[in-house]
Amino acid sequence: GAGVSQSPSNKVTEKGKDVELRCDPISGHTALYWYRQSLGQGLEFLIYFQGNSAPDKSGLPSDRFSAERTGGSVSTLTIQRTQQEDSAVYLCASSLGVGLDKQGFFGPGTRLTVL
Amino acid sequence: GQQLNQSPQSMFIQEGEDVSMNCTSSSIFNTWLWYKQEPGEGPVLLIALYKAGELTSNGRLTAQFGITRKDSFLNISASIPSDVGIYFCAGQGASYGKLTFGQGTILTVHP
Repeated sequence: GAGVSQSPSNKVTEKGKDVELRCDPISGHTALYWYRQSLGQGLEFLIYFQGNSAPDKSGLPSDRFSAERTGGSVSTLTIQRTQQEDSAVYLCASSLGVGLDKQGFFGPGTRLTVL
Repeated sequence: GQQLNQSPQSMFIQEGEDVSMNCTSSSIFNTWLWYKQEPGEGPVLLIALYKAGELTSNGRLTAQFGITRKDSFLNISASIPSDVGIYFCAGQGASYGKLTFGQGTILTVHP
């Protein structure tokens, strides 16, 4: 497809389990971002990747959160030992240059529920 | 850290009315962005503002970058039912890859 895709669209897990969320950016986009949106809230920055540069991880809330971007394309956000407060919609975005105003688009998100 | 206060939290208006919402920040931003989000989808960029005092339009939408660089507003004129959604402001500071978002304004338009 032409847009950013994310999988799964919904994930229900038990507290303490690990989860992996996947993002397929738009082909050719060099920058990729992860944001988190809790119910009724704005988006919270987690991490972004730009080309081969070291990612900006300053938004990751704890060391249980990590992300990779393989081959400059697909990205995986991993949450270890999930907690109930991790429940949120996780949104991925990609852009042609650095900055979401540079032809940036968000995916539809993965809704994570931790029981 | 930087925080954005967006108001109002929600608005209920009649079709045809004009709408205004704004964001204020505790610190300066270099770029202000306005997004719209519909249920089950990611936010979609509506308008980007790059200079203090800049006024930019996109159809029935008009947004301004405040002179102090700490605020921005969005106006929607002659609202229609498809304007329904959540509108977010976002500020970009020194790090181009990182946006700080407001809490959102939920807009409901009655036909």
